Amino acid sequence: GAVVSQHPSWVICKSGTSVKIECRSLDFQATTMFWYRQFPKQSLMLMATSNEGSKATYEQGVEKDKFLINHASLTLSTLTVTSAHPEDSSFYICSALGGTNTGELFFGEGSRLTVL
Amino acid sequence: QQQVKQSPQSLIVQKGGISIINCAYENTAFDYFPWYQQFPGKGPALLIAIRPDVSEKKEGRFTISFNKSAKQFSLHIMDSQPGDSATYFCAAADSQAGTALIFGKGTTLSVSS
Repeated sequence: GAVVSQHPSWVICKSGTSVKIECRSLDFQATTMFWYRQFPKQSLMLMATSNEGSKATYEQGVEKDKFLINHASLTLSTLTVTSAHPEDSSFYICSALGGTNTGELFFGEGSRLTVL
Repeated sequence: QQQVKQSPQSLIVQKGGISIINCAYENTAFDYFPWYQQFPGKGPALLIAIRPDVSEKKEGRFTISFNKSAKQFSLHIMDSQPGDSATYFCAAADSQAGTALIFGKGTTLSVSS
């Protein structure tokens, strides 16, 4: 299947700093990428939909000024957690649509963020 | 978000047994129903998926049964093995609209040896 690479796989930062997570589709072009957040022992919750060349669409309750998403190319989307706080500590997972109207999503390996 | 309801929350099965996980959805526009397997610290990996034009799909030990009228689908793991111990998520999406997958809450499967 298609490969989605996510980096870094884990990051520890101090409260108040910003952290950037990259999501790349390695062998296909992804016009749409999705960012999910997963707390321990919970399901994946959609944070935002990222479309190449346009502003991201955020789900209700997700602060767009805190979670900045950029999808500047067909193979790269970034999530920046700004002014991170301990409650932002979570597992962030990106995914990309694998093909036109297939619905199939390919997931990255996830990035575990710990804010001290 | 439209809901996808998954049960049971946890499941313990003996090695060689059959594991069954059920899901139900509400949105009749959903036309893509995948199951994902997730190990601790890893992203979810696609296991098997089905579309509404078939009632059953089998891949190795994994089978999806789909009931369109009841808006339900289930995952059957035959001859369950300790290596199958993981969290399983069902999901659904409207693929024509290109929307994100909506996930169930997950089922933690433990297969005892």
